[in-house]
Amino acid sequence: AQSVSQHNHHVILSEAASLELGCNYSYGGTVNLFWYVQYPGQHLQLLLKYFSGDPLVKGIKGFEAEFIKSKFSFNLRKPSVQWSDTAEYFCAVNFLTGANNLFFGTGTRLTVIP
Amino acid sequence: DTAVSQTPKYLVTQMGNDKSIKCEQNLGHDTMYWYKQDSKKFLKIMFSYNNKELIINETVPNRFSPKSPDKAHLNLHINSLELGDSAVYFCASSRPASYNEQFFGPGTRLTVL
Repeated sequence: AQSVSQHNHHVILSEAASLELGCNYSYGGTVNLFWYVQYPGQHLQLLLKYFSGDPLVKGIKGFEAEFIKSKFSFNLRKPSVQWSDTAEYFCAVNFLTGANNLFFGTGTRLTVIP
Repeated sequence: DTAVSQTPKYLVTQMGNDKSIKCEQNLGHDTMYWYKQDSKKFLKIMFSYNNKELIINETVPNRFSPKSPDKAHLNLHINSLELGDSAVYFCASSRPASYNEQFFGPGTRLTVL
């Protein structure tokens, strides 16, 4: 069965530290990949997405992610985090099995200490 | 202008009651969704609805039923509410192609007492 996993449940960083959040999925076929962010008390917003082409994708607010097909991974990175990046981050996968549904990872809570 | 809106934002009710959550999108999208976010923040698809085709996640109890009066609305009806239904429910919409972003509403926090 298809699944999405995020291994980091809670990450605590100081401002200016670099960030990498892991996302792996289990499925041998073609996928579309997304990272969403949920700021405290707000709804989910798209950070970036990958569906084809350059496996290194850049998103909003200085975030980027790299799709490594051989590792079934789509890790999110940011070279220097800010306090305002404190939020919940969700990796999501569309397994292209007919229904246009997103399957989400369990989320990673990022706390940035000023 | 709000792209995807939901009402109410908060809903507190007793076990056994029937309630509805409304969702409207003004983006002209063809596909709408309902997701449930549990207390551990895990998001799970409940339904997707595209041009009158409803795709149901098989784990969703039949007490939950989506109703779409038109392309811009997908309301969620819940019958005989149970304690385990307490969660945040998110509506979303997108264009049909799989690579398109889903736009999420602000969520409805349902508390069943």
